[in-house]
Amino acid sequence: GESVGLHLPTLSVQEGDNSIINCAYSNSASDYFIWYKQESGKGPQFIIDIRSNMDKRQGQRVTVLLNKTVKHLSLQIAATQPGDSAVYFCAVNPTGGYNKLIFGAGTRLAVHP
Amino acid sequence: EAQVTQNPRYLITVTGKKLTVTCSQNMNHEYMSWYRQDPGLGLRQIYYSMNVEVTDKGDVPEGYKVSRKEKRNFPLILESPSPNQTSLYFCASSPAGTGDGYTFGSGTRLTIV
Repeated sequence: GESVGLHLPTLSVQEGDNSIINCAYSNSASDYFIWYKQESGKGPQFIIDIRSNMDKRQGQRVTVLLNKTVKHLSLQIAATQPGDSAVYFCAVNPTGGYNKLIFGAGTRLAVHP
Repeated sequence: EAQVTQNPRYLITVTGKKLTVTCSQNMNHEYMSWYRQDPGLGLRQIYYSMNVEVTDKGDVPEGYKVSRKEKRNFPLILESPSPNQTSLYFCASSPAGTGDGYTFGSGTRLTIV
C-alpha cells in the first residue's frame, strides 16, 4: 500500500523568507497529491493540489513541485507571513483508491518576526 | 456557507458508555469519510461512504460503526469506547471523484477515561 512521510516534523523560518516543506510517498502509481494547512483548533484546509501528469503548479504565494522519479513532493511558500504558521500535511490519493487519501504526519511551520 | 458540521466539539466520557459523533454537510456531496488524528501519525481513515446506504471500512475501523441513511449525515458511533480511542476526529465530505474537493469539519476531541 501507500505510505507518506515528511522529512521534518518542525520548520522554523523568519517572516519574509521562503519556506519549503517536503513529503515523500512510496507508491509510484499514485496519481493525485494535495497539500493541506491545519491551524490550531481547526480542520485541515485545502491549499493546492497536483496530478501526476504535472511537475509544478502555482497558486497564490504557494508552489507545489512533484518529482515522480524520486517520489517526492514539496510545498514552497513565498514571503512567509505569521499567518502561515500552522501544521502542513501532504496527502496522496493512491491509484484505485476512490476518494481515499493517505496523509503524512505533518510539518509544523513556525514563522518568527 | 458550504460547510461540514461536527458535534460535539469536545467530549470527555467513560469507558464502555456508547457515544455518537454527528456529522452533517450542506454541499450535497456524495462522499463522506471519518478520520482520526493522533500525534505523529497524521490522519487515518476510519470509515467512508460513497453514497446513501453505502459504507466501507477504512484503515482503522475497529471499535467504530457508521451509518448513512441520508445524504447529508454520516454519524460515527462508538458502541463501547475504550481509552485507545481517545483522539481528534474529523469528518470530511467531497463530490464523487478521486479525492479532490475534500472539505473537513472542525474536529471533535474525544477523551475516553
